[in-house]
Amino acid sequence: DVKVTQSSRYLVKRTGEKVFLECVQDMDHENMFWYRQDPGLGLRLIYFSYDVKMKEKGDIPEGYSVSREKKERFSLILESASTNQTSMYLCASSSPPRGQIYGYTFGSGTRLTVV
Amino acid sequence: GESVGLHLPTLSVQEGDNSIINCAYSNSASDYFIWYKQESGKGPQFIIDIRSNMDKRQGQRVTVLLNKTVKHLSLQIAATQPGDSAVYFCAENSKTGFQKLVFGTGTRLLVSP
Repeated sequence: DVKVTQSSRYLVKRTGEKVFLECVQDMDHENMFWYRQDPGLGLRLIYFSYDVKMKEKGDIPEGYSVSREKKERFSLILESASTNQTSMYLCASSSPPRGQIYGYTFGSGTRLTVV
Repeated sequence: GESVGLHLPTLSVQEGDNSIINCAYSNSASDYFIWYKQESGKGPQFIIDIRSNMDKRQGQRVTVLLNKTVKHLSLQIAATQPGDSAVYFCAENSKTGFQKLVFGTGTRLLVSP
């Protein structure tokens, strides 16, 4: 089975800190995604990547950046953490055949609290 | 814009009952739909998917129904068990630009013994 691993389950950071959330998948998937999940708002796409060094903005990219230097790793960066970035962050990956779409495999999530 | 919504935020059922979780989608061009289950403290897990050339698809104890006429998707869970307690999300594929999934806000299923 595909495994998507997020490096931290819980993080507490201070306002203004630069925060790195790491995600690694072990099945050579091309596509990787970062979502945040908030009560009543569901999953909102922050950034995604369809290839190494490629990145695309999702629906709520403000305050975030990403890095994909290797195919298996997709990092989410909070440049200057703010309290409104307190959330559950979910990483996902997929590898659909060309022209198709298939479901994603998700990691277990990182619950980030910014104080 | 595209949106995927759910009729009920919380569904409470008795163990052994059948559960039906509903989802409305807005993009009539969507041709792929998927249900995820998310247990507390875990990431979403794939349950079942369906493409628009089908009306029904069955898995183990789960059935997904797709009604394209009214843009409605449902997940039926037979003989619901306490382990089915979770939040269930539907998602559809975005047909604009890079194809990706658009998720609903989720329905919490509570199963009591």
